[in-house]
Amino acid sequence: GAVVSQHPSWVICKSGTSVKIECRSLDFQATTMFWYRQFPKQSLMLMATSNEGSKATYEQGVEKDKFLINHASLTLSTLTVTSAHPEDSSFYICSAFSGDRGNTEAFFGQGTRLTVV
Amino acid sequence: AQKITQTQPGMFVQEKEAVTLDCTYDTSDPSYGLFWYKQPSSGEMIFLIYQGSYDQQNATEGRYSLNFQKARKSANLVISASQLGDSAMYFCAMREGGDYKLSFGAGTTVTVRA
Repeated sequence: GAVVSQHPSWVICKSGTSVKIECRSLDFQATTMFWYRQFPKQSLMLMATSNEGSKATYEQGVEKDKFLINHASLTLSTLTVTSAHPEDSSFYICSAFSGDRGNTEAFFGQGTRLTVV
Repeated sequence: AQKITQTQPGMFVQEKEAVTLDCTYDTSDPSYGLFWYKQPSSGEMIFLIYQGSYDQQNATEGRYSLNFQKARKSANLVISASQLGDSAMYFCAMREGGDYKLSFGAGTTVTVRA
C-alpha cells in the first residue's frame, strides 16, 4: 500500500526553540496533506490542511503563526512549531490520500511525539 | 455538533470472542465515507475498513466487518475472533463530500483478555 513517512518519530526541545516535522509520501503524489494533533488518551484533532504550492488552511483556533506549514512539493509537507512551549507537547501526525487507491484510505505517517522542556 | 460519536470509552473482551464497537455519525452531505482505524500504543494509525455512503453492501476485511445502518447513521465495527494483538484504541472517522479531511470520534480502548 501507499506509504507516508514522518520524521522525526520523537523530539525533545527546549522551551522557546522551533521544531520542524517532515511528512513525505514515498510512492504517490499528494497535493493535499493533513496535520493532526493528539493529546494522550484523546482523539485526533485536525490542525490544518496542507496544499501543495499554496497556503495552508488552518482549523479554527489553530495559530497559523505558531504552526507554520510548508508544502513545497507533491511529496513533502513540513510542520514547524515555532517558539515551542510545554503546552505544545503532543503527538503530531500527518496523513494523505492516494488517488490510486480510489481515495478510500487515508495513509498516516508514524507520528511525532514532541516534548518541550 | 459532534460529527462522530463513539460512546464506549473502554471495553474488555475475552480472547476468541467477537466485539462490537459503536459509532454514530452526523452529516447532511449525501456523499461521505466512514473509516475505522486501530491505534496501538506505538501511536501508528492502522487502517481497518472503509464504507462509502453509496455502498450497497456492508464492508468486510478479514476479521473486521462494518455494520452500516444508513437510516440510523451508525457504522459499528465488529471484530470477530478477538486476538491479544487486537488490544488498542479504535477510532471511527468520516470524510464528507469532496473533502478529504477526517473527523474522528473520541475512540474506544479495547483490551483483549486471555
